[in-house]
Amino acid sequence: DSGVTQTPKHLITATGQRVTLRCSPRSGDLSVYWYQQSLDQGLQFLIQYYNGEERAKGNILERFSAQQFPDLHSELNLSSLELGDSALYFCASSVGGSVTDTQYFGPGTRLTVL
Amino acid sequence: GEDVEQSLFLSVREGDSSVINCTYTDSSSTYLYWYKQEPGAGLQLLTYIFSNMDMKQDQRLTVLLNKKDKHLSLRIADTQTGDSAIYFCAESMGGTYKYIFGTGTRLKVLA
Repeated sequence: DSGVTQTPKHLITATGQRVTLRCSPRSGDLSVYWYQQSLDQGLQFLIQYYNGEERAKGNILERFSAQQFPDLHSELNLSSLELGDSALYFCASSVGGSVTDTQYFGPGTRLTVL
Repeated sequence: GEDVEQSLFLSVREGDSSVINCTYTDSSSTYLYWYKQEPGAGLQLLTYIFSNMDMKQDQRLTVLLNKKDKHLSLRIADTQTGDSAIYFCAESMGGTYKYIFGTGTRLKVLA
């Protein structure tokens, strides 16, 4: 158990819908990262937040957005969902925001878009 | 371009050494990483190497970096069945927080 929690574990929805994925980092961690893992695209870094501020952006679509709240939990919002958005979405957290800080990964949320 | 490549599969016998290879394209990468993903789980950072190093050893793990060829390898000594997993190499782009992951190598350890 990494100490990072993600909800829900599974999510099934239809095309065109909007969903919110939630992540609670390890106690004391200030950084949160979001990743998408799919068969087509492999593992892709989406976005990083550090202490409430966006720090880095990867291959995140405009239909997707994220935020980190004052209590440091984070949400990833996916809208106008397409079949290709079906994937495993991981959240990770680290103590600081350094590239050498160990990232601890949550168990993931499996999103299925029908 | 941003591309990190790995071979898809590797099968070894228990007790042998495993070598997982990775090639990357960004010469400005500052850090290179190896992650392990077990079935149904998230990623676990195994080790990382700074780009000005050639080698890093950590218990059974040895990382070799050939900057000229942009080649990274992970050697696991005395491979155990518990090492069966998917291994990803990754780079941080130009020292930024933007990470690029390889395609992953599925390691199967035969008893």
